[in-house]
Amino acid sequence: AQTVTQSQPEMSVQEAETVTLSCTYDTSESDYYLFWYKQPPSRQMILVIRQEAYKQQNATENRFSVNFQKAAKSFSLKISDSQLGDAAMYFCAYGRVRGGNKLVFGAGTILRVKS
Amino acid sequence: GAVVSQHPSWVICKSGTSVKIECRSLDFQATTMFWYRQFPKQSLMLMATSNEGSKATYEQGVEKDKFLINHASLTLSTLTVTSAHPEDSSFYICSAPGRGDYGYTFGSGTRLTVV
Repeated sequence: AQTVTQSQPEMSVQEAETVTLSCTYDTSESDYYLFWYKQPPSRQMILVIRQEAYKQQNATENRFSVNFQKAAKSFSLKISDSQLGDAAMYFCAYGRVRGGNKLVFGAGTILRVKS
Repeated sequence: GAVVSQHPSWVICKSGTSVKIECRSLDFQATTMFWYRQFPKQSLMLMATSNEGSKATYEQGVEKDKFLINHASLTLSTLTVTSAHPEDSSFYICSAPGRGDYGYTFGSGTRLTVV
């Protein structure tokens, strides 16, 4: 079975600084997706970034980028120029979109942004 | 993009009554719907997977007779909490695999309080 581990229950970052959230996963499959979701106080799940396992190039979405190390099964999220609106719970997730397979979530990391 | 509309957003009910939560896919056909439960500051716990026209698959430890799931059409999946008790109070979220490579789409969640 696949597992996702987020070892940082809480992180803090100063506004405009950079922070990295860690995620490791375990799977025997070769074809999969990895996701970072943001859950603000409204509790709406928002997709931050997605990485296809077969792509070696790390995904980037504006201030958000990932460091995907497939061999190490590591998938960290870097947030640059942190903003107050980035404060939320962040979940790392593993899944296979095709075939409708379920997502496996990590425990989450609460990110606090200090002004 | 793909949208899943979840209602109600919040509900308060008396102990012993039943509550129905609806998730509708507005601009795509959701053949599969995942139902999650989330406690404060915790991760999403998968409760069950529903597939249109067939019986839902429940995760280990989830009472199928308490959490009735119906997926009668390609655009509607419902979760009914039967004979609700205070310990059923939680945040419930539905999610469907989106179209193509759009990933997973989440409903906005339902906060259930049983008094």
